[in-house]
Amino acid sequence: EAQVTQNPRYLITVTGKKLTVTCSQNMNHEYMSWYRQDPGLGLRQIYYSMNVEVTDKGDVPEGYKVSRKEKRNFPLILESPSPNQTSLYFCASRGLAGWGGELFFGEGSRLTVL
Amino acid sequence: KNEVEQSPQNLTAQEGEFITINCSYSVGISALHWLQQHPGGGIVSLFMLSSGKKKHGRLIATINIQEKHSSLHITASHPRDSAVYICAALPQGGSEKLVFGKGTKLTVNP
Repeated sequence: EAQVTQNPRYLITVTGKKLTVTCSQNMNHEYMSWYRQDPGLGLRQIYYSMNVEVTDKGDVPEGYKVSRKEKRNFPLILESPSPNQTSLYFCASRGLAGWGGELFFGEGSRLTVL
Repeated sequence: KNEVEQSPQNLTAQEGEFITINCSYSVGISALHWLQQHPGGGIVSLFMLSSGKKKHGRLIATINIQEKHSSLHITASHPRDSAVYICAALPQGGSEKLVFGKGTKLTVNP
């Protein structure tokens, strides 16, 4: 089954404690991306990757890091989380053959930073 | 700066009604996505289109590139269609920076 898997789905942490949200897709997609969703602000792109070792900033990259060492995985790293990073996070992927295909989203990771 | 505006923000309908959700964007795009998010949070891609019209079951999406406008139509609406519908524009130029509308919350009453 084609899917994007995020872990953890729910996490409560404290300010400054490094955490990683993992994202894995089984569709051999080139493109992967991270978004955060906040009430009143909608979805905003954090980082995206066009392929292995190719990453770029989205609209709200501050406080986040990513890496793309393997095609299937695109972890989101919060080196020193702060309360303003409390949000619902989504990972997505899509193939880039031709001019592109539909987006596949993970189920979301709800992060609370105290 | 590319902006994506959706209307209406909220929409309440009776079961069976024809629904239209609109999406306008300010710059040239290469494609536009329509997404659905049910209560509980999961997001599903409904359509990606760059021209014309696509249909899937009771859902129809249209786009007019010259007018920078797209619509999502739902025929014979059903309570299970209750969700937030989000459009997202992919600007021209090879960037993969999607620009999202803030969503339209649809409630279909039985």
